[in-house]
Amino acid sequence: EDQVTQSPEALRLQEGESSSLNCSYTVSGLRGLFWYRQDPGKGPEFLFTLYSAGEEKEKERLKATLTKKESFLHITAPKPEDSATYLCAVQLNTGFQKLVFGTGTRLLVSP
Amino acid sequence: NAGVTQTPKFQVLKTGQSMTLQCAQDMNHEYMSWYRQDPGMGLRLIHYSVGAGITDQGEVPNGYNVSRSTTEDFPLRLLSAAPSQTSVYFCASSGISGANVLTFGAGSRLTVL
Repeated sequence: EDQVTQSPEALRLQEGESSSLNCSYTVSGLRGLFWYRQDPGKGPEFLFTLYSAGEEKEKERLKATLTKKESFLHITAPKPEDSATYLCAVQLNTGFQKLVFGTGTRLLVSP
Repeated sequence: NAGVTQTPKFQVLKTGQSMTLQCAQDMNHEYMSWYRQDPGMGLRLIHYSVGAGITDQGEVPNGYNVSRSTTEDFPLRLLSAAPSQTSVYFCASSGISGANVLTFGAGSRLTVL
């Protein structure tokens, strides 16, 4: 069964305290891996797409990396405005746009 | 540029009632889809469409109906609401070439009593 697991479920950081979120996956065939950010009461907002092991993408304080079994979202010197739920989704190569989502990591950054 | 617009934002129904969640996009996207989000579970695909007149079932289609008469609109119909359908519903769209990145609406929170 295709599965995406995110850890930790929740993470509290102090402003400036760097950390990483994990997304591990067990799927029949990976077409791409997506990271989304979701603020309370809003829809997910696209951050990154990764397609192959070793690939890295960066945006401001965020960097996403991909291996054959997992992806990491590194947050460097976070600010309170980085507080959100971060969702990982895997696109399978068995069907167009069939994404399997993880349950997300709730990040709270305190000033 | 509005993106993906969902209405209503909140709705309360009684068991057995029917209703339609509306979704419209102004990006000329071919692909549109409906997801539901429940606590402790990832977003789950209900139905999707790759173009006008074409729809298909996702992971959790039972109790829901969809149609796609235009490129812009993709309504989700609840035929006879059940408490198990209490959830937050998201409509999402994308192109069918290139990165296929989904653009999500703001969500519709549905409570079935």
